Amino acid sequence: DGGITQSPKYLFRKEGQNVTLSCEQNLNHDAMYWYRQDPGQGLRLIYYSQIVNDFQKGDIAEGYSVSREKKESFPLTVTSAQKNPTAFYLCASSLSGAYNEQFFGPGTRLTVL
Amino acid sequence: RKEVEQDPGPFNVPEGATVAFNCTYSNSASQSFFWYRQDCRKEPKLLMSVYSSGNEDGRFTAQLNRASQYISLLIRDSKLSDSATYLCVVRVSGGYNKLIFGAGTRLAVHP
Repeated sequence: DGGITQSPKYLFRKEGQNVTLSCEQNLNHDAMYWYRQDPGQGLRLIYYSQIVNDFQKGDIAEGYSVSREKKESFPLTVTSAQKNPTAFYLCASSLSGAYNEQFFGPGTRLTVL
Repeated sequence: RKEVEQDPGPFNVPEGATVAFNCTYSNSASQSFFWYRQDCRKEPKLLMSVYSSGNEDGRFTAQLNRASQYISLLIRDSKLSDSATYLCVVRVSGGYNKLIFGAGTRLAVHP
């Protein structure tokens, strides 16, 4: 089955700890994205990558870091510098180019205590 | 001002009702328009694209008015399974596949 997987589904961390969220896709998509969703707000782009070994900041990159060492994988690290990390994190992927549908993973709900 | 604005709802309607959602966007570089559906605590999924001439997919009809920067979604003969949050999404020019999401309109269909 082709698709996008994110793990874990729920994650709890103590304040001040870094945490890495996993995103894997087997759709052979070049482009991958990380979004954050908060109650009452639309999805906001954190980082995106259009090709392996390259990534760009989105609208709210502060306090986050990513890597893209493999086409299939785009992990997101939420660092202690992120002021309000509790949120629903969604990973997406698409074919390269500006007009292709983005497919979303099931999301990771991060709660920082 | 948000780039994509929607009435958050909730819209509470009986089964069989017709319901309409509206959305306005402010970015003049907006190129493409979509409605996504998001179930509670799940990921968004593409419901339909919105074309200038208007388009229909079964019980769903989408309209775009570029002059007024306004998008609509009409759902006819509502089903219980239509209960979800509907996200208005705009693709803007910028060299990559950049999507701007509205906060969503919640629909609750009751028996």
